[in-house]
Formats: sequence, structure tokens, C-alpha cells
Amino acid sequence: AQKITQTQPGMFVQEKEAVTLDCTYDTSDPSYGLFWYKQPSSGEMIFLIYQGSYDQQNATEGRYSLNFQKARKSANLVISASQLGDSAMYFCAMREVPQGGSEKLVFGKGMKLTVNP
Amino acid sequence: DVKVTQSSRYLVKRTGEKVFLECVQDMDHENMFWYRQDPGLGLRLIYFSYDVKMKEKGDIPEGYSVSREKKERFSLILESASTNQTSMYLCASIGLPSSYEQYFGPGTRLTVT
Repeated sequence: AQKITQTQPGMFVQEKEAVTLDCTYDTSDPSYGLFWYKQPSSGEMIFLIYQGSYDQQNATEGRYSLNFQKARKSANLVISASQLGDSAMYFCAMREVPQGGSEKLVFGKGMKLTVNP
Repeated sequence: DVKVTQSSRYLVKRTGEKVFLECVQDMDHENMFWYRQDPGLGLRLIYFSYDVKMKEKGDIPEGYSVSREKKERFSLILESASTNQTSMYLCASIGLPSSYEQYFGPGTRLTVT
């Protein structure tokens, strides 16, 4: 079963509008972390934001915020005031520590955001 | 401000060749990872290492091996390259427990003909 699900293969948004990128996750561990990465066409993976499972408040980093709903196991990324440079692939990921194993990140399949002028 | 480097951005190899992909990080991180990225499949973990000479299989280790002789260097080896290993390969490192951020290299686009 998929541990990270990103159901939107692609989205379009107008410049300066806000956009929400969906991510749901599946884990039975009480301690976990959720990440969002951006991958522009140049290929590099850029860390955007992190949310720990015990964090009381939703994470925010500039124009990025994470809408963390623990009971629903969702960690949606909200980008406010979209810019043309936000056009990229976006990946949601979860940190997991398998029993007896070592910590690793599990990624979703990603979704493509296109910001129109 | 270079953190994670990979030996090649683009590589073309023939079927059956032995291929080495090198990754070096300058942050003294313990954990290093190799992923492959394919359209529609996201990033899939091949192998990772949490210490020198230590390695663990990820989700798709078949056809690959790794080497970690020094802390800063983590190599991915394709013993006998096949066309289905044509992909983008990404290396990453993370400095636990002080930091949760995973730093990625620029990627190596490997084509096996």
C-alpha cells in the first residue's frame, strides 16, 4: 500500500492566487515527519517545509504553509500568492523508522504545478 | 555553498557495462541515500547507508549495489547495466539527529543503450 499519496497529477493556478497541493499519508508510528520538496525543471530537489507529528502548530516558511490534519492523515501544502517561479514538480515525503531498521524518507509520486501569468 | 555533489550530470553507457555513480557530501552527515526518479513513479529508494561500511536495502535494490568506504562518499554500482536502469539517479544525505533536512545532489541522468 502506498504510504504517501498525491492524487493530483497536475494543477494550474493563476499568478498571485493561492494553491493547495494535497498529500495524504499512512503510518502507524506515533512519531514521524512530513516534508515537501520542490523540483524545478533544472532537476534539483529543494526542501520547502517540514512538519513533525508532535508539532502543535502548522509549519510555515514564508509563502509556504503546511495544513497538517493529523486525524485525517493529511499534510497539504499551501502556497500563497503564487509566482511564475513556483511552476515545478512538488513531492510530499514522510520520514519513517521501520522497526529494527534505520530512518529513511518515503516519497509520493509528485504533482506538477503550473503557474499561469 | 556546495553540499552534495554527484560525479556526472549525464552519463551514457552500454548494456552490460559496470557503472559507478559517485556521491560526495561535505556536511559530515551519517546517513546517505540513493534514489531513482522515473516519471509518474516519484522517487524510489534504492539503498541507503547510516554509517561507514554499513548499508541497507531500500525498496528497489535489485540490480544495484553500494559502497561506503568513507563517511563523505557513497557510491552506487550497477553491476551489469540494463536498459530498464535508464533513469535519473539522485543522491541525498541527512544529518541526524540534529537536522531533519535531507540535502540532495543535482542528479545524474543515466541512459543505458
